Amino acid sequence: QVQLVQSGAEVKKPGSSVKVSCRASGGTFSSSSVNWVRQAPGQGLEWMGRSIPVPGKANYAQKFKGRVTITADQSTSTTYLELSSLRVEDTGVYYCARDPTYGSGSYFELDSWGQGTLVTVSS
Amino acid sequence: SYELTQPPSVSVSPGQTASISCSGDKLDNKYVCWYQQKPGQSPVMVMFQDRKRPSGIPERFSGSNSGNTATLTISGTQAMDEADYYCQTWDSSNAVFGGGTKLTVL
Repeated sequence: QVQLVQSGAEVKKPGSSVKVSCRASGGTFSSSSVNWVRQAPGQGLEWMGRSIPVPGKANYAQKFKGRVTITADQSTSTTYLELSSLRVEDTGVYYCARDPTYGSGSYFELDSWGQGTLVTVSS
Repeated sequence: SYELTQPPSVSVSPGQTASISCSGDKLDNKYVCWYQQKPGQSPVMVMFQDRKRPSGIPERFSGSNSGNTATLTISGTQAMDEADYYCQTWDSSNAVFGGGTKLTVL
């Protein structure tokens, strides 16, 4: 049974950075990507990027390039999302989610999700 | 950039069939997933590769994808199906979500 456990809620000032973690257990991750999805209050889901099973590699949504860094520590099965230059509009719940189909062509499906981490950006 | 369009809301009576649409250019050239999200909870995948149900998802959930429109159908809708539903596809190395549809069972 795949389980993704995220770090706790954060409160940050505008202009600062936040780092959220996502620890995986169970299942197979050797051919999986770990994705980050954001949800602003009362809004929909927005894909930010993913860590892929190639050491040190990640893909980012164009909107977040330059402000987001996704890293993975294979030794602890933990993926990290760091978002810099925080703005009030970055407030929301950040989810990690596994896609087990990486490398399988045009498939992409998020079959397991973390519990979410609330990030509040406020002065 | 690629866009997916969903109706903001759909209403259905208990026991009836609910259909939620998701539109995008030549969408049937891509695979579509659907996620269900209840208030205060993480999303759950209810359909993948257009029409495949994950283990544990009731048979009343089905999916299709033809032309520019993918559809999630819930037959015999139950009160527990009331939730937000999001379609999602993959385009140009990006995951794209629809804006979401609030399903009300009344």
